[in-house]
Parts: sequence; C-alpha cells; structure tokens
Amino acid sequence: EPEVTQTPSHQVTQMGQEVILRCVPISNHLYFYWYRQILGQKVEFLVSFYNNEISEKSEIFDDQFSVERPDGSNFTLKIRSTKLEDSAMYFCASKGQEDYGYTFGSGTRLTVV
Amino acid sequence: GNSVTQMEGPVTLSEEAFLTINCTYTATGYPSLFWYVQYPGEGLQLLLKATKADDKGSNKGFEATYRKETTSFHLEKGSVQVSDSAVYFCALSDPWGNNRLAFGKGNQVVVIP
Repeated sequence: EPEVTQTPSHQVTQMGQEVILRCVPISNHLYFYWYRQILGQKVEFLVSFYNNEISEKSEIFDDQFSVERPDGSNFTLKIRSTKLEDSAMYFCASKGQEDYGYTFGSGTRLTVV
Repeated sequence: GNSVTQMEGPVTLSEEAFLTINCTYTATGYPSLFWYVQYPGEGLQLLLKATKADDKGSNKGFEATYRKETTSFHLEKGSVQVSDSAVYFCALSDPWGNNRLAFGKGNQVVVIP
C-alpha cells in the first residue's frame, strides 16, 4: 500500500538553528500538508500546498516557517531559527482528488534544546 | 471556528469490554467527520469516516454515526482486543478551507489482557 515517508524520525537541534524536515508524499497525490502535535496537545494544522504554492496556512505558520516541493517528489518544511516551543511531532500528509484519503507519515519528533 | 472536543483522559479497559470514546464538534456548514488511530511508533491512520448526517462509518469492528442534532461522532467497539491499544483522534474536515483537518486532543486507549 502506498505510504508517506518522513525523515528523520527524530531530530535534536539547538535553539536558533535551522532544521529541514523531509517528506515524500504519495506519488499521484496533489494536496500536501504539514501538521504538528506538541506533547499532550492537539494535532494542529500548519500549512497546505497545492499546485506548487501554499493554499492555506495557520497563524502558527509565521515567517520562520517555509515549505518547498523542490523536485516533484520531496515536500519539505523548513524552520529557519528554531525556538524551544517548536519542539513537537511534525506530521506530513498528502491527499488525492477524492473527498477522503488523507495519508499521514509516521512523523518527525523535533526536540529543540 | 471549527473545533473538535474529545473526552478527557486515557481509557483503560479489559479485553472484550465495550469501548466508547466521545467526540463532539463545532463547525459551520457540513463537515466530514473522521476517526484516526495512531499505533505506537506509527503515523496517523484513517480508521473510519462519515460525510453526511446519519452516515455510519465502520471498520475493524469500530463504528461511529454522524449525529447532526447532537453534533457528535462517538466511536464504539463492542469487544476490544489488546491490539486495539492506541491513541484515537476525532477530526473534521473543513469544506471551506482546503479540506484542512481539525483534530481533537486524542484518547489513549489501553486494553489489558
């Protein structure tokens, strides 16, 4: 069964450093998403991406965040200067044309120290 | 805005017991409703869904009915197994917002042999 792959599974970084979280969505999907879950809190929407541009972003997704689909297969989330409060599990998801069918990756646990 | 509320706290129960996890929602319009499950070390997996009032979603012995009058989508299973131990998330899809998902906090379910 097709799956969404995220790497790395766990990343530790120092405050102020840049991190890039990587995702390989399902190949024929058209909509791509990033969500995050701070420990003990809800899974929160960050950004959606369609047709090579951001289609929607939440208030969490400020200037420190950016997304890119550089080569037609990878979908990356960059955090320019990490803060302690960016520590969370980050989930990538992709979706086809049908009404349902979100497929999530296993997540990247980001720890900012 | 759209939101999902799940009952507080983990759920611990014995094998073959009846499971209910409550979920209520607030939304404008007519969202689709979902239950996702996260097994240890894995990503979010779609368990079941319902797209309109009175629809019943079902999968792997789990059921949930879209109740517009009570704005609820409670998850039930008649006889749980140890393998059902996981975190369960209720979610809704915003038809006006690029189909972004709004999640509840999730409930840890622990089934004891």
